[in-house]
Amino acid sequence: NAGVTQTPKFQVLKTGQSMTLQCAQDMNHEYMSWYRQDPGMGLRLIHYSVGAGITDQGEVPNGYNVSRSTTEDFPLRLLSAAPSQTSVYFCASRSTGSEQYFGPGTRLTVT
Amino acid sequence: QQPVQSPQAVILREGEDAVINCSSSKALYSVHWYRQKHGEAPVFLMILLKGGEQKGHDKISASFNEKKQQSSLYLTASQLSYSGTYFCGTERVRSGNTPLVFGKGTRLSVIA
Repeated sequence: NAGVTQTPKFQVLKTGQSMTLQCAQDMNHEYMSWYRQDPGMGLRLIHYSVGAGITDQGEVPNGYNVSRSTTEDFPLRLLSAAPSQTSVYFCASRSTGSEQYFGPGTRLTVT
Repeated sequence: QQPVQSPQAVILREGEDAVINCSSSKALYSVHWYRQKHGEAPVFLMILLKGGEQKGHDKISASFNEKKQQSSLYLTASQLSYSGTYFCGTERVRSGNTPLVFGKGTRLSVIA
């Protein structure tokens, strides 16, 4: 199993640009989530999904969109990048009542 | 709503013990503990489910007091490899599907 994969690993954007962070898992997990990590703020939940076709907002959803058309994929879209979105982004997946697996992360810089 | 972790940071000498606490104002179904090394993704340590159980992994153990909605992570006889940031993640009692929400972390430094 590849586990949770994320692409790209690094990305630099200019303010106003849009992009999609890719996330995929091959463990047939129903739960998938996106977190951002900033110094001193821990892991903050952006959006999550409890199954294909079902998504919901987390703590910091503004400026981001998600969709879940398949069990495996959960892309995160930045609509119009802002410097405040400079962060490390982690995708994660799990099954009910079991451990959560994290992807390796995407380091995003918005200039 | 993020759980609250304490302390924010702790420095230990090899062989010393530490306790990291995690508390929530909401009724919890499970508490997860993760450790993150600098520049890496968080790594799973253990999960505690509602029921007040205690778990252990080598010299790291944890407890979950569901009456107080609190969990504690115990690190005994610390080793240099224990250094990193520890996060608790909490899952609320279900009236639907709830995601895992993490605290701000506790930075642990073990020195020789």
